Amino acid sequence: GAVVSQHPSWVICKSGTSVKIECRSLDFQATTMFWYRQFPKQSLMLMATSNEGSKATYEQGVEKDKFLINHASLTLSTLTVTSAHPEDSSFYVCSAQGPRDDGYTFGSGTRLTVV
Amino acid sequence: QKEVEQNSGPLSVPEGAIASLNCTYSDRGSQSFFWYRQYSGKSPELIMSIYSNGDKEDGRFTAQLNKASQYVSLLIRDSQPSDSATYLCAGAKAAGNKLTFGGGTRVLVKP
Repeated sequence: GAVVSQHPSWVICKSGTSVKIECRSLDFQATTMFWYRQFPKQSLMLMATSNEGSKATYEQGVEKDKFLINHASLTLSTLTVTSAHPEDSSFYVCSAQGPRDDGYTFGSGTRLTVV
Repeated sequence: QKEVEQNSGPLSVPEGAIASLNCTYSDRGSQSFFWYRQYSGKSPELIMSIYSNGDKEDGRFTAQLNKASQYVSLLIRDSQPSDSATYLCAGAKAAGNKLTFGGGTRVLVKP
């Protein structure tokens, strides 16, 4: 089946620094990837839709200058959390639709802790 | 009104019983629906997708879609302790479009 690889699995960073999260589609090309954030005991909230070769589409209330998304190739999308603060601590996960319309595959997620 | 709504639970079922989960959606433009299972601290994993009215069975799982009533359901037969997780219902307007998730239903299967 379709596999989406996400790295790192967890990261701890100091307040004010930036963190980059990578998502790769391993066995298929993903023209579109989706980035979600999940706070404890809450559901997944879509942050942005990442389109290969074009600007990402951000959901209302998500700061595009703080959460930089780059989708430079058909297999790689990155999310950079700039000037991270403790309130950005969350579980970030990406997803993409598999090649055979068999649903959306999720990466393993990244647990970000900002101290 | 949330676009996709689920009872948060927890839904407690004895081992071997049937767990019944429901989900309603408000956007009639939604065409594709998915059930995901999410263990604590892990990312969601796809259980079932359903696109047409009626039932779809896969092993111990059966999904049902009723577009007229705007609900989607999931039955888990012969529930096992390993089925204890949060189950997320999601909808999309078309293939490749963004998913909208419900809040999830926590299921506890007791031995």
